[in-house]
Amino acid sequence: QVQLVQSGGEVKRPGASVKVSCKASGYIFSNYAFTWVRQAPGQGLEWLGYISGYNGNARYGHMVQGRVTMTTDTTTDTVYMELRSLTSDDTAVYYCARVVAADGGDEIDYWGQGTLVIVSS
Amino acid sequence: DIQMTQSPTSLSASVGDRVTITCRASQNIRSYLNWFHQKPGKAPKLLISGASTLQSGVPSRFSGTGSGTDFTLTISSLQPEDVATYYCQQTFNNIWTFGQGTKIEIK
Repeated sequence: QVQLVQSGGEVKRPGASVKVSCKASGYIFSNYAFTWVRQAPGQGLEWLGYISGYNGNARYGHMVQGRVTMTTDTTTDTVYMELRSLTSDDTAVYYCARVVAADGGDEIDYWGQGTLVIVSS
Repeated sequence: DIQMTQSPTSLSASVGDRVTITCRASQNIRSYLNWFHQKPGKAPKLLISGASTLQSGVPSRFSGTGSGTDFTLTISSLQPEDVATYYCQQTFNNIWTFGQGTKIEIK
């Protein structure tokens, strides 16, 4: 069965970087893309970016562009999201999710369990 | 970026009520609109894609309509397990965006 298993929670100081991993299993990694979404405490969903599992091409949301890098490792079927220059506004649960291309547009069909990143001095 | 505006922000309704949430895009997104719900402590779940395509396993009381800039999600008969926050999401262009969410509670 399809599974996305994310790395554990992190506590970071302001100005630091965090790298969250998401290991996929149960399907052919390169046939699908991924997206990253975050949710600050008590807030809504914020889209961070998209990366192809086939060729690693990525695009990012404007709110984090310049601070975020998404990568894939096809040898381990893992996707990564690194966020730099952290501030308290980056405190959130970070989700990776699988994207499937469909006739009606891209769909997010499977989600990881979420990774809590806390930024605090 | 395309802005997605949902209304209402929250609502309280009785079991069995018909409930409608609206989502408006700041520009034409054709039918590239998905609906999710999210229960506390859980990841979101896709309910409807392409504005109106019900996902496998999602109860038929959920339906979606609309195209262009105006979209609706309707629950024909609200059930206790539908308590959640509902989000619309556009995938029209390369920069995706979510609506701010609509929290549904049982009266």
